[in-house]
Amino acid sequence: NAGVTQTPKFQVLKTGQSMTLQCAQDMNHNSMYWYRQDPGMGLRLIYYSASEGTTDKGEVPNGYNVSRLNKREFSLRLESAAPSQTSVYFCASYGLAKNIQYFGAGTRLSVL
Amino acid sequence: SQQGEEDPQALSIQEGENATMNCSYKTSINNLQWYRQNSGRGLVHLILIRSNEREKHSGRLRVTLDTSKKSSSLLITASRAADTASYFCATDAGGDSSYKLIFGSGTRLLVRP
Repeated sequence: NAGVTQTPKFQVLKTGQSMTLQCAQDMNHNSMYWYRQDPGMGLRLIYYSASEGTTDKGEVPNGYNVSRLNKREFSLRLESAAPSQTSVYFCASYGLAKNIQYFGAGTRLSVL
Repeated sequence: SQQGEEDPQALSIQEGENATMNCSYKTSINNLQWYRQNSGRGLVHLILIRSNEREKHSGRLRVTLDTSKKSSSLLITASRAADTASYFCATDAGGDSSYKLIFGSGTRLLVRP
């Protein structure tokens, strides 16, 4: 049982490049989330998917798009990366049984 | 904007001492949760306290919730070097089926051996 798996773990982009961060969970959870964490700060919600087939904006959605590919997978896309998007990105899924979120290990992204 | 604000931002204690972290929030909540983040890792859930609960224990952790003051505290007793991490409170305001959490900015705890 791997839980929440994120790929890649590290990425360096040049300004204007695009990339997709992948996230998959094997816990059969309905809800999934993307957060960003900047140095010395808590997590801020970028987008979330309450169930398969739905996505909604969080607190800081500008510059990002998401796709809930199926129940397991929720991807985050940066169409034209900017230095302000340098951050650590975390994916999470929500388990109704215990009412908690389970987090992946994170993707460390640098945009030069 | 972040719902939870934590205090202190950083805390350094000796192994064996107790560590207390506080969290304040702004709106009504369904529950409040505490998570731990080791350096360079993802967040791990520690404990959840519901809005109708006042205190909860889990091992060396004790959480209190005062909804009238919109505040919570996390007490770690008999701290160990392995407790060194950042601790975040997160609130679930409910209201829909999204189960969104709003995180505070965290307390960085250093436990000196």
